Amino acid sequence: RKEVEQDPGPFNVPEGATVAFNCTYSNSASQSFFWYRQDCRKEPKLLMSVYSSGNEDGRFTAQLNRASQYISLLIRDSKLSDSATYLCVVKVDSSYKLIFGSGTRLLVRP
Amino acid sequence: DTGVSQNPRHKITKRGQNVTFRCDPISEHNRLYWYRQTLGQGPEFLTYFQNEAQLEKSRLLSDRFSAERPKGSFSTLEIQRTEQGDSAMYLCASSLVLPIGELFFGEGSRLTVL
Repeated sequence: RKEVEQDPGPFNVPEGATVAFNCTYSNSASQSFFWYRQDCRKEPKLLMSVYSSGNEDGRFTAQLNRASQYISLLIRDSKLSDSATYLCVVKVDSSYKLIFGSGTRLLVRP
Repeated sequence: DTGVSQNPRHKITKRGQNVTFRCDPISEHNRLYWYRQTLGQGPEFLTYFQNEAQLEKSRLLSDRFSAERPKGSFSTLEIQRTEQGDSAMYLCASSLVLPIGELFFGEGSRLTVL
């Protein structure tokens, strides 16, 4: 079983739509959670951290459910520029590494 | 440009040859990571340095892979006796101690093993 699992998509949505991605992680010792964004043929970049109480950054909302070991990302009012792969990332407290999921691809169409 | 720099950007080699990649992190960053990414997959952790010390290495990493970070500045990743399965994008990232989780990636070095 992969340590971080994501639905690969693609999610194909019209501009203005709301879309949500889920991610599950297997290690209950995971302590820190993040969403990264990766554009086609580009390097990954941090989108936002995920806090226990949930957090919002503009049109993006991240939620964490420790009991069920899943993380979600909600994008409201999708823009064409949101088209990218969204990577769920987990850090276990006893390790330095960030563990990346395989990513969920989002395509926003006009 | 003060971002993470990697070179070469592309490397084509024949099976069995050795290759070396270089990463120059953001100058004030003491943490440096190497990841490998193949098509349709997320970055896979290879190794981590804090200053010049290699503190973590993936168990998946074979003995053909070695990384160094002399003097805690630039880093090199060497792959000996390359195999076709080594073909991938090799990504270097650097960060500060805080905030946790904010890695700055370079554009990567793409390796093709024929």
